[in-house]
Amino acid sequence: DTGVSQDPRHKITKRGQNVTFRCDPISEHNRLYWYRQTLGQGPEFLTYFQNEAQLEKSRLLSDRFSAERPKGSFSTLEIQRTEQGDSAMYLCASSLAWGQKMLINEKLFFGSGTQLSVL
Amino acid sequence: GENVEQHPSTLSVQEGDSAVIKCTYSDSASNYFPWYKQELGKRPQLIIDIRSNVGEKKDQRIAVTLNKTAKHFSLHITETQPEDSAVYFCAATGVAGGTSYGKLTFGQGTILTVHP
Repeated sequence: DTGVSQDPRHKITKRGQNVTFRCDPISEHNRLYWYRQTLGQGPEFLTYFQNEAQLEKSRLLSDRFSAERPKGSFSTLEIQRTEQGDSAMYLCASSLAWGQKMLINEKLFFGSGTQLSVL
Repeated sequence: GENVEQHPSTLSVQEGDSAVIKCTYSDSASNYFPWYKQELGKRPQLIIDIRSNVGEKKDQRIAVTLNKTAKHFSLHITETQPEDSAVYFCAATGVAGGTSYGKLTFGQGTILTVHP
């Protein structure tokens, strides 16, 4: 499978613990996104990287959340001191963005997500 | 920021019928509108997308229409099949939010059920 892969698929943790998720994007893609999806809702944007630079973070991303993409390839999303409200599906997506500022072509391809349950 | 409303929340059709899902958006600067299909427990998959310089786009049994004046866009599926059953999400974004077309605002989703 040459698509976006995420690990683990499921994570159960106790409130207050730290968790880390990994995302491997499609190899030639230069952009990587993190989204969160709760049951019955559409995905919500959290943050994105172009190569190794984190270009934007949503206000949804509290100080307990941190994301990295150290070499411009895989990315990790860490949640510190987890809360029950953090329970959700965390989706990673990647894209190949090309073109000039107003003519950028970009299509987002999602991974299967990491389902986090905080007890 | 952008707000996307999607209707209906559930849609049930007989195999062979057409299905239409509608979305409205709030930010007139939005200019890219993708649709994703998500089967239970699987990843969202891009099925079709449209940019604001186009009013309609077709791909086999799927079509999307866009009305920029009214700020709404719709997904049309013809000759539905049981394997079309899934949750469908519309989304919107625009260069005004930066240079990223991947920073999407999604609708709430439509659960489509196609009965054999």
